[in-house]
Amino acid sequence: AQSVAQPEDQVNVAEGNPLTVKCTYSVSGNPYLFWYVQYPNRGLQFLLKYITGDNLVKGSYGFEAEFNKSQTSFHLKKPSALVSDSALYFCAVRDEGNTPLVFGKGTRLSVIA
Amino acid sequence: DAGVTQSPTHLIKTRGQHVTLRCSPISGHKSVSWYQQVLGQGPQFIFQYYEKEERGRGNFPDRFSARQFPNYSSELNVNALLLGDSALYLCASSLKGGGPEQYFGPGTRLTVT
Repeated sequence: AQSVAQPEDQVNVAEGNPLTVKCTYSVSGNPYLFWYVQYPNRGLQFLLKYITGDNLVKGSYGFEAEFNKSQTSFHLKKPSALVSDSALYFCAVRDEGNTPLVFGKGTRLSVIA
Repeated sequence: DAGVTQSPTHLIKTRGQHVTLRCSPISGHKSVSWYQQVLGQGPQFIFQYYEKEERGRGNFPDRFSARQFPNYSSELNVNALLLGDSALYLCASSLKGGGPEQYFGPGTRLTVT
């Protein structure tokens, strides 16, 4: 069965500094990996995905993520954080088959001005 | 283009009552999935429908049911509501069963008192 771990409940970073939100996964077969962001009282907004190809994936709003197969990780990164990036971030995984997304418990990112 | 829409936005029900939540997918998308997000947790998969057939079901009791209509919209029904059913219910659509990525609606906030 698939699973996702987001080891940090909360990440605090100063505006302008680089940010990393960690995610590790477990899946049988090749993983499809996703990052979503959730703002207060809103649904989930798609940021980026890894299906195959280049291990560095670029997504919306300057975010990127690096797929590391040996470490089974898919950490979300951004070179320079903005206060408006403050939100709840979810990592999700599914396998190649027609299986539903499995989400981590989320990491709350707080960017301080 | 319109995204995934859900109705109602909020509702309050009493224990033992029944509730119906509605979802309209992105135009051209034929697959709809439902997720439950309890406060402080990541979304959990409830159902997936594709071409009006159930293609997957999560670990939820039989009080939860769903259906998809010929226009690909969907309803989630929950009978005999419990306090623990209080959550944000998210609908996601994708082009076909399994994605690759799913696009989420804003959710319906259900409060059971």
